[in-house]
Amino acid sequence: DAGVIQSPRHEVTEMGQEVTLRCKPISGHNSLFWYRQTMMRGLELLIYFNNNVPIDDSGMPEDRFSAKMPNASFSTLKIQPSEPRDSAVYFCASSLSSGAFYEQYFGPGTRLTVT
Amino acid sequence: SQQGEEDPQALSIQEGENATMNCSYKTSINNLQWYRQNSGRGLVHLILIRSNEREKHSGRLRVTLDTSKKSSSLLITASRAADTASYFCATDAATSYDKVIFGPGTSLSVIP
Repeated sequence: DAGVIQSPRHEVTEMGQEVTLRCKPISGHNSLFWYRQTMMRGLELLIYFNNNVPIDDSGMPEDRFSAKMPNASFSTLKIQPSEPRDSAVYFCASSLSSGAFYEQYFGPGTRLTVT
Repeated sequence: SQQGEEDPQALSIQEGENATMNCSYKTSINNLQWYRQNSGRGLVHLILIRSNEREKHSGRLRVTLDTSKKSSSLLITASRAADTASYFCATDAATSYDKVIFGPGTSLSVIP
């Protein structure tokens, strides 16, 4: 398996633009997680899905952020409109199930810069 | 609020020495994991310890769990330059065992 795939790897955009981050989880994994990592705030859980259903989106910072998982092999995280404070590395991870018993497999991340 | 917090925030040692990192958490847990993150990469799972376990080993890694003190430690023996990375503990969230919360991490530098 190729592991968790994220695209793009780097994104530079101007404030106000829409940004869409993409993730393909490992086949057979039922849980998918979106994280944001910054020096100031560390690794933050934004939202996670079980069986394509959003379970907890309490970490989504604002209504400008939205996430979807239309099927078991694809998820998107959208920011509209983007702001400079959204600059961060965004990670997608997947696991067999949610909970700290199950190992999460992380993608390489998308480094987002909003100017 | 964070469930787990690592200590120290940063650690610098010489190659060959042992490195010890600690994780403290606030409420009862079922499971605790340790992850490593190399610079610019995603996190990689190292080891899982369950609440009814006190110690686990994996290669040069030794993890202990003290549920009475709500703390865990990660020991890396005979460190190598390649161990330079950030290390995170992850626990069940206080409000939901289905949710996993990562601590802020310990940055380890191993000097050749």
